[in-house]
Parts: sequence; C-alpha cells; structure tokens
Amino acid sequence: SAVISQKPSRDICQRGTSLTIQCQVDSQVTMMFWYRQQPGQSLTLIATANQGSEATYESGFVIDKFPISRPNLTFSTLTVSNMSPEDSSIYLCSAQGAPEGYGNEQFFGPGTRLTVL
Amino acid sequence: GIQVEQSPPDLILQEGANSTLRCNFSDSVNNLQWFHQNPWGQLINLFYIPSGTKQNGRLSATTVATERYSLLYISSSQTTDSGVYFCAVSSGTYKYIFGTGTRLKVLA
Repeated sequence: SAVISQKPSRDICQRGTSLTIQCQVDSQVTMMFWYRQQPGQSLTLIATANQGSEATYESGFVIDKFPISRPNLTFSTLTVSNMSPEDSSIYLCSAQGAPEGYGNEQFFGPGTRLTVL
Repeated sequence: GIQVEQSPPDLILQEGANSTLRCNFSDSVNNLQWFHQNPWGQLINLFYIPSGTKQNGRLSATTVATERYSLLYISSSQTTDSGVYFCAVSSGTYKYIFGTGTRLKVLA
C-alpha cells in the first residue's frame, strides 16, 4: 500500500491567516485528493489535485479559498486561506493509483487537525 | 450524485459480541472500500470490495453490487475496534463518496 505523510499534524491559527498543508506519498501515484472532515461529520471531497495543471474543485469549494498545488506525482499542498472558525476541521490527503495492484484503492494520510480561533 | 447511507449510526457492544454494519448506495458503483477511523483520526483501509466476499481475521465484508449494498461483519469484538466505520464508493470518475458512518464503541 502507499504510505502518505502530512505536515503539520495539527495547528492552531488566528482568523484571517492562511495555512499550507503538505502531503507526501512514498511512490508515484496517478491521483491525489484533498478531503475535509468537520467535527463529528463524514469526509467531504474538496478537490482533485492534478499534476501540472489546476485542481478540479467540488461544488462549494473554490480556488481562492483552497488553492492546491501538485508539482509532481508524489507531492501536493493545500492552502486554507483567510481562515475563520468555520474552517476548523481535519484535512486529509489521499492517493490512488499505486503501487501496482492497488489501482483503484484509495489510501489516506494521517490528517491535519486545524483549529481556528 | 450517488447517495451513501450507513446503518446503524451508533452501536455499543460488549467485548466479544458480533456485529453487522450496512452500507446502502443509490446507484451502480465500480469501487467500494470500507475504512476504520480510529480515535486519533487515522483512516485505516479494511477492504477494497466492489463485489463478492472477503475475510481478514475477525473482519469480513460482502458486497452485493446488483442490490446496491455492502455489509461489514465484526466478530468477537475488542475495545480496539472502537471508532467510526465508513464505506466509500465511486463510479467511473474515481472520486470516492463517503457514507454517513457508523460510530462503534466496544465496552470492556
């Protein structure tokens, strides 16, 4: 299975500031995704991170608020911009498409627990 | 889009008991996974099971794709089984939609 790490693991931020979350996969993967999990809720897909092009955002999520980069096949970043307390959530990175034999299975990083004051 | 409902929403068991968790989805799917989210928030892959039956130790899962449901069986439950169980499905686009989750608490 793919091993995924995220940094930071948790952070406490002031409203109005921005935080960039990093996601690193230990092998090249076809697809990377970013999810949000609000307290006590299920996971909601924010966007698909596309290598070398703009991310594809789900309804309700916009690039100005959640800019995403994916410079290569193993790394992606998600920025949460101009934060408010409503952005307090766990943000999870996931990967799909590697290693061989796990093509359609999705693996998750440990998550970044964000609290906005 | 596809709707994914899980039942029951909450479950409390005594250690050693068995349980069945259900996942219903509203349309045909190509992929289905079961996850366990432990109390620290980590999502652990349990099964990739778009159809058929699989077993891994005390856990097993069955997906009946034609009837649009999947079941996760936990036998001889342990306190370490506590957490939230999610099923997630995708159809064609590889974007997984997560179910509502079942929160399990196993008492010693």
